[in-house]
Amino acid sequence: EAQVTQNPRYLITVTGKKLTVTCSQNMNHEYMSWYRQDPGLGLRQIYYSMNVEVTDKGDVPEGYKVSRKEKRNFPLILESPSPNQTSLYFCASRGSGRTQPQHFGDGTRLSIL
Amino acid sequence: AQRVTQPEKLLSVFKGAPVELKCNYSYSGSPELFWYVQYSRQRLQLLLRHISRESIKGFTADLNKGETSFHLKKPFAQEEDSAMYYCALSSFNKFYFGSGTKLNVKP
Repeated sequence: EAQVTQNPRYLITVTGKKLTVTCSQNMNHEYMSWYRQDPGLGLRQIYYSMNVEVTDKGDVPEGYKVSRKEKRNFPLILESPSPNQTSLYFCASRGSGRTQPQHFGDGTRLSIL
Repeated sequence: AQRVTQPEKLLSVFKGAPVELKCNYSYSGSPELFWYVQYSRQRLQLLLRHISRESIKGFTADLNKGETSFHLKKPFAQEEDSAMYYCALSSFNKFYFGSGTKLNVKP
């Protein structure tokens, strides 16, 4: 089944403790992206990647890092999480072509205490 | 700066009534616009994209460049249409989403 898989689905952690949220897709998509969803703000793009070793900032990249060493994986790294990064995070992938639909994961709910 | 505005947080209609979910955007080029939907306990998924001019599940959306709008319409709402709807704009591989409208279709 074609899908985008995120792990973990839920995480409660403390300020400053590095964490990584993994994202994997099995559709051989070049484009992958991370979003955060906050009440009243909708989805805001954090980072995106056009292909392996090609990443770029979205609207809200501060406090996040990403890497794209393999086509299928696009982990989101919070080196020193803070409470304002408490949010619902979504990973998405898309085939080549700007009008192709994005396929979303189920989301990861992060709570930073 | 690119921006997508969905002015209604919640829209309640009765089954069989027409529904229109508003989306306005600001963009200085030729936009690529989408509607995404999230049903309860399901993933966000594409509903419509303006370039294909299609009708999905009875929904249509017309791009009005003069009014910079991309409103989503359906002539007769069904209870299964109840969901969260997001309008999105794509610009040079970046995406901008509106804050979403929750559609509640009452029996």
